[in-house]
Amino acid sequence: AQKVTQAQTEISVVEKEDVTLDCVYETRDTTYYLFWYKQPPSGELVFLIRRNSFDEQNEISGRYSWNFQKSTSSFNFTITASQVVDSAVYFCALTGRGSTLGRLYFGRGTQLTVWP
Amino acid sequence: DVKVTQSSRYLVKRTGEKVFLECVQDMDHENMFWYRQDPGLGLRLIYFSYDVKMKEKGDIPEGYSVSREKKERFSLILESASTNQTSMYLCASSRPTTSFSSNQPQHFGDGTRLSIL
Repeated sequence: AQKVTQAQTEISVVEKEDVTLDCVYETRDTTYYLFWYKQPPSGELVFLIRRNSFDEQNEISGRYSWNFQKSTSSFNFTITASQVVDSAVYFCALTGRGSTLGRLYFGRGTQLTVWP
Repeated sequence: DVKVTQSSRYLVKRTGEKVFLECVQDMDHENMFWYRQDPGLGLRLIYFSYDVKMKEKGDIPEGYSVSREKKERFSLILESASTNQTSMYLCASSRPTTSFSSNQPQHFGDGTRLSIL
């Protein structure tokens, strides 16, 4: 069974603060992929990153960084120097080799509000 | 760029009506998905399809059906709409997972906010 937990329902920060969004996953698969999506107020989910279970290197893309730790089954997302445009709902998702046809299992999302 | 288009952003229907939500993608993707999104519950998979005329139940298929007559179009049907089906509906598509190493992300439409009165 696949499960993703995003324990933070809502986070509020002031612009320029750093913020970390937590994601904890459960899977029996030894091969799996993890994803982060952003959903701005307009509604469309935007793909941010995909990471496979064999690659534990952290990744940085501009102000975004991701910390993947298999030992704690976590795939956390950090926004550095947050901006108002980062306000959105962020979803973590998982698919494993045992998942049917690559279907994704989503966490419940974290609503991030960045105040000016 | 992948484009997934949902026919309506907002839709208001009455209880008992048959409701059609349409989704079209332009990237020749084999896989298509329908989700509903509710506050505090995240995204829940209703149905998905991996080929024309093929469909698989997701986690919450009750009260819904789907149709995939053409590769680019995946329709969600509410057979007899009820108020508890008021929700945001999201369609997505992806390339086929022919091997796990080629797992591709799903691409989403803008969503349809459906209200059943």
